[in-house]
Amino acid sequence: EAQVTQNPRYLITVTGKKLTVTCSQNMNHEYMSWYRQDPGLGLRQIYYSMNVEVTDKGDVPEGYKVSRKEKRNFPLILESPSPNQTSLYFCASSLKQGGGYSNQPQHFGDGTRLSIL
Amino acid sequence: QKEVEQNSGPLSVPEGAIASLNCTYSDRGSQSFFWYRQYSGKSPELIMFIYSNGDKEDGRFTAQLNKASQYVSLLIRDSQPSDSATYLCAVKAAGNKLTFGGGTRVLVKP
Repeated sequence: EAQVTQNPRYLITVTGKKLTVTCSQNMNHEYMSWYRQDPGLGLRQIYYSMNVEVTDKGDVPEGYKVSRKEKRNFPLILESPSPNQTSLYFCASSLKQGGGYSNQPQHFGDGTRLSIL
Repeated sequence: QKEVEQNSGPLSVPEGAIASLNCTYSDRGSQSFFWYRQYSGKSPELIMFIYSNGDKEDGRFTAQLNKASQYVSLLIRDSQPSDSATYLCAVKAAGNKLTFGGGTRVLVKP
C-alpha cells in the first residue's frame, strides 16, 4: 500500500529535549516536505527536499532541521524544542515538482501532534 | 497581507445545495492551484488541481481559475453531509514552494 508514515503520532515532551519525528514514504517520490498546522494559520511549510541531499527552507524553518540521506526518509529534528513549536505536523511527498505547471499531488502522512511543555 | 487567503467560515449549506468557496492569492507568478479537503483530525487529501484559466470539472466538484483577478474557487454541487470538512486552497509559484490558505470550514446540514 502506497503511504507516508510518520512516527510518533503523538508526543508530549519538555522544553530543550531534542526530538526527531521520522517520515518515510514507499512511493519512490523525489519531493518531500514538512508542514506544521496551527488553528487559523493553515498549513505552513517548514522545509522541503527535491531529492537526496537537497533541502530548502520553507516559510517557517526557524528551530527545525531536516536531512535527506535516503530517498524514502525525511526526518524532522527539533534540536531544542520550545513551547511555540507545539503543533500538528504533517509530512508529505510527491513525484518531482518539475516546472511551474506541476500538478503532482502531495500525499500526506497521518500527522504528528507535538506538545512541548 | 497573507499570500493565500480564504474565508475561515463556517460556510453552512443545506444538503443538496451548491457550496461556493473562494481563495485569493497575491503572487502573480503563481501557476498551479490545488484544493485539498481535510476532515477533522485527518490529513489533507487532494480533490482538485487547476492551472489554466477557466473551469475544470470532476464529478460534483468544479474548480474555477481567474489569473487576472488572482482568485480560484471551488464549487461543490449537490452538497452531502459527508462534504462537511475544511477545504484548503494551495498555490504553487514558479519555484517549488506550495503555500496554503487557512482553510474554509464547510458544514452541510441535512
